[in-house]
Amino acid sequence: QSALTQPASVSGSPGQSITISCTGTSSDVGTYNLVSWYQHHPGKAPKLMIYEVSKWPSGVSNRFSGSKSGNTASLTISGLQAEDEADYYCCSFAGSSNWVFGGGTKLTVL
Amino acid sequence: QLQLQESGSGLVKPSQTLSLTCTVSGGSISSGGYSWSWIRHPPGKGLEWIGYIYRNGDTYYSPSLKSRVTLSIDRSREQFSLKLSSVNAADTAVYYCTRLRSSSGYYFDYWGQGTLVTVAT
Repeated sequence: QSALTQPASVSGSPGQSITISCTGTSSDVGTYNLVSWYQHHPGKAPKLMIYEVSKWPSGVSNRFSGSKSGNTASLTISGLQAEDEADYYCCSFAGSSNWVFGGGTKLTVL
Repeated sequence: QLQLQESGSGLVKPSQTLSLTCTVSGGSISSGGYSWSWIRHPPGKGLEWIGYIYRNGDTYYSPSLKSRVTLSIDRSREQFSLKLSSVNAADTAVYYCTRLRSSSGYYFDYWGQGTLVTVAT
């Protein structure tokens, strides 16, 4: 299976909203509502931010939201804060017990 | 709070076998509803799922790595392990062990800090 496609970088000013897209195929994102998003600060363990397209794990701010349309999932961060600056990865179940990740998006808070 | 910690050799020679172990604490590796997975992050690239193992030893591997990967689990030690054979430079990466929740949801909910493995002479 091929990796999911994410933009290499996005940026926004504090208080603004940004959206990161994650494009897959009808074999993964388009078929399964099992898209999750992970925040990764270099040197630390990746952190689950969204699961099953739009659900929040306990303790994650509702400034983070997820959605999906067709083969593309999206992560929106509203009210950008300096600590949101990190790498973000999407992930989807791809059937037959397989999982596929995106290439990652570097978020810069200006 | 569940914690996962990777350990193993940080430098492996080409054609040899990479071996890593993940120790689980703050919870039981034998708990139902979860499996235990390895994911890697090659420099400059995205994350790559390697495979996962259930408490009963059932394993599932990435098709692209299946011929070289072996996962095992030692419930008495609260550990699970990864072996990747015939490594080459493309296997250089930070390797993460994770828990894959498979009840009331299906996602990787806990990750280790990761360990860098370099394949070089």
